[in-house]
Amino acid sequence: IQLTQSPSSLSASVGDRVTITCRASQGISSYLAWYQQKPGIAPKLLISAASTLQSGVPSRFSGSGSGTDFTLTISSLQPEDFATYYCQQLISYPLTFGGGTKVEIK
Amino acid sequence: EVQLVESGGGLVQPGGSLRLSCAASGFIFSDHYMDWVRQAPGKGLECVGRTKNRANSYTTEYAASVKGRFTISRDDSKNSLYLQMDSLKTEDTAVYYCARTISSGHDYWGQGTLVTVSS
Repeated sequence: IQLTQSPSSLSASVGDRVTITCRASQGISSYLAWYQQKPGIAPKLLISAASTLQSGVPSRFSGSGSGTDFTLTISSLQPEDFATYYCQQLISYPLTFGGGTKVEIK
Repeated sequence: EVQLVESGGGLVQPGGSLRLSCAASGFIFSDHYMDWVRQAPGKGLECVGRTKNRANSYTTEYAASVKGRFTISRDDSKNSLYLQMDSLKTEDTAVYYCARTISSGHDYWGQGTLVTVSS
């Protein structure tokens, strides 16, 4: 199953609303996770089952979607949110990741 | 506190072998699926392989890119996960992470160990 993320990168300012999309090559129900990765550090699980926020993750992060189209939204971008974000499908092995979206400071 | 600590990375020549280890603590290791995920320099994430838990007969699965060359194993008595990498290629150069896997994703990751395949 292939996952296509868009955009591959974006520039935004603190306080902006940011939306990242992930499209699956076939239906995956809600078997989708989102991760955040900062340089030199292992990824961090943000959202599971397409929309369930992991414990400790700020409420400005949200996820939505099912089937083939998914969205990660950051409602008000904070300085610590500048990172690369990946989606991952969990319905069948190999568990594939999207290509990533790098969120940079504008 | 859940901890995963990888070791065993380094420089190896093409065609060579390397064995990575991941020491787990802070949770019941035998209950969990465990995955190896790699990241080539400046690139994205790739699931390399996984081992299921004892309840699922320790079944292993592999990405097509490493099948037949890499072998995942685990020793629940030592709370350890292993990745035996044979016939290494330059394209296997990456940081290798071990990750605990639950139904909703990889909830804990190690710090990663760098494997460089070069002559």
